[in-house]
Amino acid sequence: KQEVTQIPAALSVPEGENLVLNCSFTDSAIYNLQWFRQDPGKGLTSLLLIQSSQREQTSGRLNASLDKSSGRSTLYIAASQPGDSATYLCAASGNTPLVFGKGTRLSVIA
Amino acid sequence: DVKVTQSSRYLVKRTGEKVFLECVQDMDHENMFWYRQDPGLGLRLIYFSYDVKMKEKGDIPEGYSVSREKKERFSLILESASTNQTSMYLCASTRGRGEAFFGQGTRLTVV
Repeated sequence: KQEVTQIPAALSVPEGENLVLNCSFTDSAIYNLQWFRQDPGKGLTSLLLIQSSQREQTSGRLNASLDKSSGRSTLYIAASQPGDSATYLCAASGNTPLVFGKGTRLSVIA
Repeated sequence: DVKVTQSSRYLVKRTGEKVFLECVQDMDHENMFWYRQDPGLGLRLIYFSYDVKMKEKGDIPEGYSVSREKKERFSLILESASTNQTSMYLCASTRGRGEAFFGQGTRLTVV
C-alpha cells in the first residue's frame, strides 16, 4: 500500500530565502506526483503535476523534481514571500487514487 | 477556468440527521473523489467513482454512501450523522490519471 511522507511538518523561513520541501513515497510504481497548496480553511490548489516519465516541472518560482527510483520528490520555492505561507501537500497517483502526505506548513516571515 | 464546486462551505447538522454533500464539476471529468481531512490524519479517501452510476470504496467508507447519477455530479451521503464525522470534506475530479482539481471544501460540524 502506497504511503507518502512529508518532512518537515512545519517550516519557518525569513522572506527572500530559497527553500526545499520534501516528499517521499514507498511504491515507485506511480503514474504521477502532484503538489498542492492549501490555505487555512480552504480547498487544495494544484501547483505542479509531474508525470512518471518526467524529471521536473517548473511554474514561476516553483520547481518540482521527481526521482522514482529513490521514491522522492522535492518542491523548490525561490525567493520566498509572505504570500507563500500555506500548507503544501504532495500526492502520488498509481493503481489507486491519489495518496496524500500530511503536508508541510510553511511560514514566511517578513 | 476549470471548476469543482461544493454546495456548502459550512454546515451544522444534528446527530442522527441524514446529510447530503454535493459536488459538481464542469470539466467533463470521468473520475470523482470524496476525501475527508482531519488534523494529524491528513486526507483520507472515502469513496470514488470512475463513471456514472459506478462507485468504489476508499479507505474509510463506513458510515457514508455516494451517488453518481450524472457525470458532473457526485454526492456524499451521511446516512445518520455522528459527531465523529465532524470534519472538512473535499471533493476532487480528474480526467484519466491527469491533474486533480479540488473544490473549496465543506466544513461539517455534527452536534
